[in-house]
Amino acid sequence: GAGVSQSPSNKVTEKGKDVELRCDPISGHTALYWYRQSLGQGLEFLIYFQGNSAPDKSGLPSDRFSAERTGGSVSTLTIQRTQQEDSAVYLCASSLLGSEQYFGPGTRLTVT
Amino acid sequence: GEDVEQSLFLSVREGDSSVINCTYTDSSSTYLYWYKQEPGAGLQLLTYIFSNMDMKQDQRLTVLLNKKDKHLSLRIADTQTGDSAIYFCAASEGNTPLVFGKGTRLSVIA
Repeated sequence: GAGVSQSPSNKVTEKGKDVELRCDPISGHTALYWYRQSLGQGLEFLIYFQGNSAPDKSGLPSDRFSAERTGGSVSTLTIQRTQQEDSAVYLCASSLLGSEQYFGPGTRLTVT
Repeated sequence: GEDVEQSLFLSVREGDSSVINCTYTDSSSTYLYWYKQEPGAGLQLLTYIFSNMDMKQDQRLTVLLNKKDKHLSLRIADTQTGDSAIYFCAASEGNTPLVFGKGTRLSVIA
């Protein structure tokens, strides 16, 4: 079946602009996670959605980062006023409750 | 919080076995995972083990878990050039985000 999909695959933006990254989880998966992969920091957790519960935002690095999940399915990660240190690969994963996480191909964000 | 450590590099000859090691600190981690990442690609789930298991085998992959020492290993039998990639160890309590190691870069020499 279809896996996790993410768009765009690559995004180049100028410093100070806002960006939106999209994630389509596996159908039926109730949990959705955003992670960031950068050279200096490795793989870091950003935010976690589970069903209708309030999201766990404990990994968001600043208030410029936000995410929403509409209808318990698609999620959008928004970065406002992008900075060069935001350059990274943003990975989305989904899972059934308490089960293994499956990752999408990621969005490579470059801030110039 | 949880901390996951891995060695950064491993080089093996084609046909040999590869063993990638990982340690974690939080004994409440009940799910332990191995992911593979090829250049320019996302993370591929290879295998996972629950903390109530000592070993899991899946074709060429064998996962060993020593709960007392909080040590996890991934053995790849008959390593092939297509196994060259970065392998990530990750730990979770179940309904929680994964905590990843920095990844082990496996190079397979033909």
